[in-house]
Amino acid sequence: DAKTTQPPSMDCAEGRAANLPCNHSTISGNEYVYWYRQIHSQGPQYIIHGLKNNETNEMASLIITEDRKSSTLILPHATLRDTAVYYCIVSDANAGGTSYGKLTFGQGTILTVHP
Amino acid sequence: SQTIHQWPATLVQPVGSPLSLECTVEGTSNPNLYWYRQAAGRGLQLLFYSVGIGQISSEVPQNLSASRPQDRQFILSSKKLLLSDSGFYLCAWSVQGWTEAFFGQGTRLTVV
Repeated sequence: DAKTTQPPSMDCAEGRAANLPCNHSTISGNEYVYWYRQIHSQGPQYIIHGLKNNETNEMASLIITEDRKSSTLILPHATLRDTAVYYCIVSDANAGGTSYGKLTFGQGTILTVHP
Repeated sequence: SQTIHQWPATLVQPVGSPLSLECTVEGTSNPNLYWYRQAAGRGLQLLFYSVGIGQISSEVPQNLSASRPQDRQFILSSKKLLLSDSGFYLCAWSVQGWTEAFFGQGTRLTVV
């Protein structure tokens, strides 16, 4: 069972920010939030992860609510190449848990960026 | 830098035939290795993972098996393929203790 809930699809105009929400109301204290994306017919690509602080890298920003029950992935200036399925995953692997880095993928959000 | 190689990219096999998919990782030692499968229109499902040579854990009962004969080599096999084995198979690796996994380009298997 996936521990996260995401909308099945979202649209975004090219050049605008894409905000992808994720609910993880049962997240435990040592679980991180991870985001991956999968462009059609390719392997998933790691985007970003965080525990409780907001995170930013060259690809995206991750905003985690104070109670950690939800998060938002932000692509600041979406391009057509950002069209993909985006997966939000929670895991305790980074905290030395016994998940051995296993990822439990849900259905994800299909993000379509249009001109 | 680390790279992951997975082959072949596409494969069409008849029902009842054997299967062998190979995955190798370069540029790292003692990685965690994973096999995932994605059926058409569905999410990725973890099939096997390995934390070391000869150590294989299966996540779901199925018609497939996995082996890790060398530190950076992971093989997915079947003695007799079923139609339900069709799908997109992905190999991945991660550093021990981390969930930032890196995926190969996948093998699209069609069983006919």
